Amino acid sequence: ETGVTQTPRHLVMGMTNKKSLKCEQHLGHNAMYWYKQSAKKPLELMFVYSLEERVENNSVPSRFSPECPNSSHLFLHLHTLQPEDSALYLCASSQVPTDYDYGYTFGSGTRLTVV
Amino acid sequence: QKEVEQNSGPLSVPEGAIASLNCTYSDRVSQSFFWYRQYSGKSPELIMSIYSNGDKEDGRFTAQLNKASQYVSLLIRDSQPSDSATYLCAVNGLGTQGGSEKLVFGKGTKLTVNP
Repeated sequence: ETGVTQTPRHLVMGMTNKKSLKCEQHLGHNAMYWYKQSAKKPLELMFVYSLEERVENNSVPSRFSPECPNSSHLFLHLHTLQPEDSALYLCASSQVPTDYDYGYTFGSGTRLTVV
Repeated sequence: QKEVEQNSGPLSVPEGAIASLNCTYSDRVSQSFFWYRQYSGKSPELIMSIYSNGDKEDGRFTAQLNKASQYVSLLIRDSQPSDSATYLCAVNGLGTQGGSEKLVFGKGTKLTVNP
């Protein structure tokens, strides 16, 4: 496995379900990120973990709960979501301080649909 | 609020022409700038990074940075139909906690290269 791997690729869940998104990076980076991408909106930064410590939480509703057990793994736990939470959820990793030549490496994303 | 502005397009150019993509940013302390390409249904992939004023060339791609004008652009020479994608401008900024960093993305410009 190389790069950043996200599972599952697609997820359909009801509003009362609990599910988790998983991200794993094989690049030796020390920071990981969750982004949300909705139609016609810029990528929205949700959470940042740097050296396994959460350093950013951009007013994300509590129905989204991140977990970073080590520098290679990142989870996003989901519960009681709303239909407006349907989007592409992207995980990314990077080396901080910023590696100017490489920026962020993104995973393939999880396409989430809340019904 | 740090902002990154891009024309949403769509931008349509004929095959073989030069495609010019523009981006402005609001945070004067931003240090590094990135262009990502995102094909429909796929995750963003880094194509260029720049952090010094002037031009940086890589194959058919040239990134241009003018920090005084807070402006960064991407030129694609000899455009090919395979270049048809959404191009995201991203600007490095400081996170909310000391030492943390984050990328702020524009909405993206959709480019179509017509054969």
